[in-house]
Amino acid sequence: RKEVEQDPGPFNVPEGATVAFNCTYSNSASQSFFWYRQDCRKEPKLLMSVYSSGNEDGRFTAQLNRASQYISLLIRDSKLSDSATYLCVVNRRSDSSYKLIFGSGTRLLVRP
Amino acid sequence: DADVTQTPRNRITKTGKRIMLECSQTKGHDRMYWYRQDPGLGLQLIYYSFDVKDINKGEISDGYSVSRQAQAKFSLSLESAIPNQTALYFCATSDIGADTQYFGPGTRLTVL
Repeated sequence: RKEVEQDPGPFNVPEGATVAFNCTYSNSASQSFFWYRQDCRKEPKLLMSVYSSGNEDGRFTAQLNRASQYISLLIRDSKLSDSATYLCVVNRRSDSSYKLIFGSGTRLLVRP
Repeated sequence: DADVTQTPRNRITKTGKRIMLECSQTKGHDRMYWYRQDPGLGLQLIYYSFDVKDINKGEISDGYSVSRQAQAKFSLSLESAIPNQTALYFCATSDIGADTQYFGPGTRLTVL
C-alpha cells in the first residue's frame, strides 16, 4: 500500500464549478501536510499547508482529518488556470530525519 | 532570477555514460534534495543533504551518487546510466526547521 494515496483523475469540470480532492495517508507519525500544484512538465510549487483547524486561501480550502488520516482540497469557482496536477504531500518525521512523501497527484482539467 | 536552478534542463545520453546533473540555489537554505519523477508516480527521494558535510540516502539511491560542493551547490551523478533512469529529476531546498521545499525547474534525462 502506498504511504500517500490519491485518485489520479482526471477530474474534468466546467469553469465556475466546485471540485474537491481527497488524499489518504497511512503513517500516523505524519506531522505536516501540504498541497502542491504541478503544471505539466514543470516543478511542483507549494499551494498551501494544511493545518489541523483547516485553512482557506481565497478559493482554496484545505482540511485535515487526523482520526481518519485524510486530507482534502476544495476549489471553488474553478478557473481555466486551475488546470494542473495537485500533489498531496505528507512530512514524516522519525528520529533526527524527516521526509516529504509525495502522492502521485490528482489531475484537474477545467474546461470553458 | 530563479532561486533554484538546474543544469542541464534536458539531456539525452547513452547507456553506460557518466552523467552529472547540477543544482544551485540562492535561497541560503542549508538543506538540499534530489528527487526523480516517473509518469504516474509520486516524486521519489534519491539523496538529501542537511549541510555541506551531511549526505543521506533516500528511497532510491542505488545507481546514483551526490556531492555537496558548497552550501549553494548539490550535484547528482549517474556513474553508468541505464535506460530505467530515464526520468524527470528535480532538485529542492528547504530551510532549517521549515517543512516547505522549493523546487528547481527540473532536468529531463533520457538514457538510450
